[in-house]
Amino acid sequence: AQSVAQPEDQVNVAEGNPLTVKCTYSVSGNPYLFWYVQYPNRGLQFLLKYITGDNLVKGSYGFEAEFNKSQTSFHLKKPSALVSDSALYFCAVRDYNTDKLIFGTGTRLQVFP
Amino acid sequence: DGGITQSPKYLFRKEGQNVTLSCEQNLNHDAMYWYRQDPGQGLRLIYYSQIVNDFQKGDIAEGYSVSREKKESFPLTVTSAQKNPTAFYLCASSIVGSTNEKLFFGSGTQLSVL
Repeated sequence: AQSVAQPEDQVNVAEGNPLTVKCTYSVSGNPYLFWYVQYPNRGLQFLLKYITGDNLVKGSYGFEAEFNKSQTSFHLKKPSALVSDSALYFCAVRDYNTDKLIFGTGTRLQVFP
Repeated sequence: DGGITQSPKYLFRKEGQNVTLSCEQNLNHDAMYWYRQDPGQGLRLIYYSQIVNDFQKGDIAEGYSVSREKKESFPLTVTSAQKNPTAFYLCASSIVGSTNEKLFFGSGTQLSVL
């Protein structure tokens, strides 16, 4: 079965520093991977996706993610964090059998001034 | 503006009561979904529908029911059989038939038990 894991419940980073939010996946075949962000009391917003091609995917708000097949990882990154980036981040993978998205448990990012 | 509208934003349920959460979209999407969000558990799929008058159970459908009489509407009823209904409920939609589709989410409904 397809699954994703987000090993960190919370990530703390100072404003201006680079940030990384980790995600690992388990799929049979080529993965379709996604990152979403959720601000307090709001729905999720799409950030970026990996389907095929370049391993470095660029998305919204200056975020990017690196697909690493050998490590089965899809970590979300940003070169310089902003306080406004503080939110809950979800990694997701598409289930081939059902065509549905399977979400990780989420990682709370806290950026301090 | 195109998007997904969920209402109400906050809802309270009394014991033994059924409550219905509204979800409307004007994106002309065929597929609609209901997710439940609990702290530390991520999102879990309750029901989904890929076409009008058809829907399928997700991972945690027990105690919930849905209908899809119109393309733009996908209401969720939380029945009295759902013993732990307190959660944040999210509705989403997407274009069917594209394996790289992204989901568009509403702003959610927080359901609490009185």
